Amino acid sequence: QVQLVDSGGGVVQPGRSLRLSCAASGFSFSSHAMHWVRQAPGKGLDWVAVISYDGSNEFYADSARGRFTISRDNSKNTVDLQMNSLRVEDTAMYYCARGASRIVYAFDMWGQGTVVTVSS
Amino acid sequence: DIQMTQSPSSLSASVGDRVTITCRASQSISSYLNWYQQKPGKGPKFLIYAASSLQSGVPSRFSGSGSGTDFTLTISSLQPEDFGTYYCQQSYSIPITFGQGTRLEIK
Repeated sequence: QVQLVDSGGGVVQPGRSLRLSCAASGFSFSSHAMHWVRQAPGKGLDWVAVISYDGSNEFYADSARGRFTISRDNSKNTVDLQMNSLRVEDTAMYYCARGASRIVYAFDMWGQGTVVTVSS
Repeated sequence: DIQMTQSPSSLSASVGDRVTITCRASQSISSYLNWYQQKPGKGPKFLIYAASSLQSGVPSRFSGSGSGTDFTLTISSLQPEDFGTYYCQQSYSIPITFGQGTRLEIK
């Protein structure tokens, strides 16, 4: 079955860390760039980070740069998002998304999302 | 950063209506424009890429047009299952940015 399964969300205090994970199945994972996109409660979509198909390149939104790290393991078909120094404004549903084959910076498959709540 | 602005923010239409949503970029993005549909509690669904190319499996009543800074998503004959929020997204440059969304309600 072709799918992305997001996990790792939870409730965390400001300043603490959390690691999200996305497990891919049913397609050639190592052929696709992978992204994380978030959505604050009741708000729109907000791109967070991308990692190239082979892990050699990473790019981040300004809000994530220096605090978040995206990584992948092509042997396990997983992509992670390490989030450090979390802020209240990082509270959101976090989606793993696959980069489209023809347009790397488009998202042709999405996970179900995992909820991150940053609160004291 | 490239800002994406959608209009309207919300609309209500009847089954069978022709619906148009517009998206404007703050600078030229050629045809690097994509559209998504999101239903409550779900991840978005990829509808259209490169401004006018229909993603596989998407009904042909959906179409996209435009280039440069102005783009449109059209639903030729609205169906009950087309409710949800629609987002445009530019894939021209990093950071990737989305429009604020258009909430479509079926009357």
